[in-house]
Amino acid sequence: AQKITQTQPGMFVQEKEAVTLDCTYDTSDPSYGLFWYKQPSSGEMIFLIYQGSYDQQNATEGRYSLNFQKARKSANLVISASQLGDSAMYFCAMREGNYGGATNKLIFGTGTLLAVQP
Amino acid sequence: DARVTQTPRHKVTEMGQEVTMRCQPILGHNTVFWYRQTMMQGLELLAYFRNRAPLDDSGMPKDRFSAEMPDATLATLKIQPSEPRDSAVYFCASGLGRGANTGELFFGEGSRLTVL
Repeated sequence: AQKITQTQPGMFVQEKEAVTLDCTYDTSDPSYGLFWYKQPSSGEMIFLIYQGSYDQQNATEGRYSLNFQKARKSANLVISASQLGDSAMYFCAMREGNYGGATNKLIFGTGTLLAVQP
Repeated sequence: DARVTQTPRHKVTEMGQEVTMRCQPILGHNTVFWYRQTMMQGLELLAYFRNRAPLDDSGMPKDRFSAEMPDATLATLKIQPSEPRDSAVYFCASGLGRGANTGELFFGEGSRLTVL
């Protein structure tokens, strides 16, 4: 069965510094997708970045990058140049299966609360 | 700006009352999901649909919860009778089940339910 683990309940980072949020996963399916979502205090879930299991390069989206280490089954989110608006809960999620045949069901980790300090 | 719309945004009710939450998925999306978020359990998948057909509702307490998609523009989640332990934020999300690049889900703003 698929499983997502986020071991950092909370983290602090100074404004303008980089921060890494950890995520490990477990699956027996060779085809899967990994996602990061941001949930600010207002409550909405905002999609940040995606990494496919067969993607050769690490995904990047602006200040977000995903450090994908397939052998270690980790998909850490790196936020560069942190801003005060980055303070939020961050969730790692996984979709099992080849996308063409999958239902795109996502299983979420427990989240990491990031606080950016001025 | 396409978005998933959920109503109500907030609901306070008394134990035993029926609660219905509604969701309008993004036009063209053919998969719809209901998640529940609590401090203790995090984000739990309750049910999901593809092309309006229920694919899996194993995460839902069957005796009191029901989920339906009467048409492609409306998904409902009903709790009858409601209990205090149902207090949570309920999210609806939609996505493209096939043919999309990543399969990310687009979430509504959630319905915050408080059962007294």
